[in-house]
Amino acid sequence: IQLTQFPSSLSASAGDRVTITCRASQGISSYLAWYQQKPGKAPKLLIYDASTLHSGVPSRFSGSGSGREFTLTISSLQPEDFATYYCQQLNSYPRTFGQGTKLEIK
Amino acid sequence: EVQLVESGGGLIQPGGSLRLSCAASGFTVRSNFMSWVRQTPEKGLEWLSVIYSRGGTYYADSVKGRFTISRDDSNNTVYLQMNSLTTEDTALYYCAREGDGAWFFDYWGQGTLVTVSS
Repeated sequence: IQLTQFPSSLSASAGDRVTITCRASQGISSYLAWYQQKPGKAPKLLIYDASTLHSGVPSRFSGSGSGREFTLTISSLQPEDFATYYCQQLNSYPRTFGQGTKLEIK
Repeated sequence: EVQLVESGGGLIQPGGSLRLSCAASGFTVRSNFMSWVRQTPEKGLEWLSVIYSRGGTYYADSVKGRFTISRDDSNNTVYLQMNSLTTEDTALYYCAREGDGAWFFDYWGQGTLVTVSS
């Protein structure tokens, strides 16, 4: 199962609302997770089951979708949110990741 | 506290072998699915292999037949034996926990760098 994320990069300002999309090559029900990665660090789980916020993740992060199309929304960007975001499907093996969306400060 | 610590990376010549280790603490590896994932700037995150709680394994096509995942329950450690390495295997290698029935990777190690070069 291939995952296509778009955009691949995004410039935004603190306080902006941003949305990242992840499209699967076939239906994956709701078995999709989102991760945030900062330079030199391992990915960090944000959302699983497409829309469930992982423990400790701020509520400005939200996820939606099912089947083939999913979105990650950050309602009001904070300085610490500038990072790269990845989606991952867990419907089947091999587990696959999107190519990432780099969120940069405008 | 849950922690995963990878080790074993380094510089290796093409055709060589390397064994990576992932030492877990704060939970038991045999009760979880444990995966290896690698990352390069060109390919991003690439899932490689899993060892299930019951001991079964699965591999990505890119490493099938060359890499072997295993675990030592007494040491609470997961391994990745990598053989016939090529320059394409140069990457930062992570281990990650996928809880049995959890459908997400909730803990990751810090990664260990493997460089395949002559």
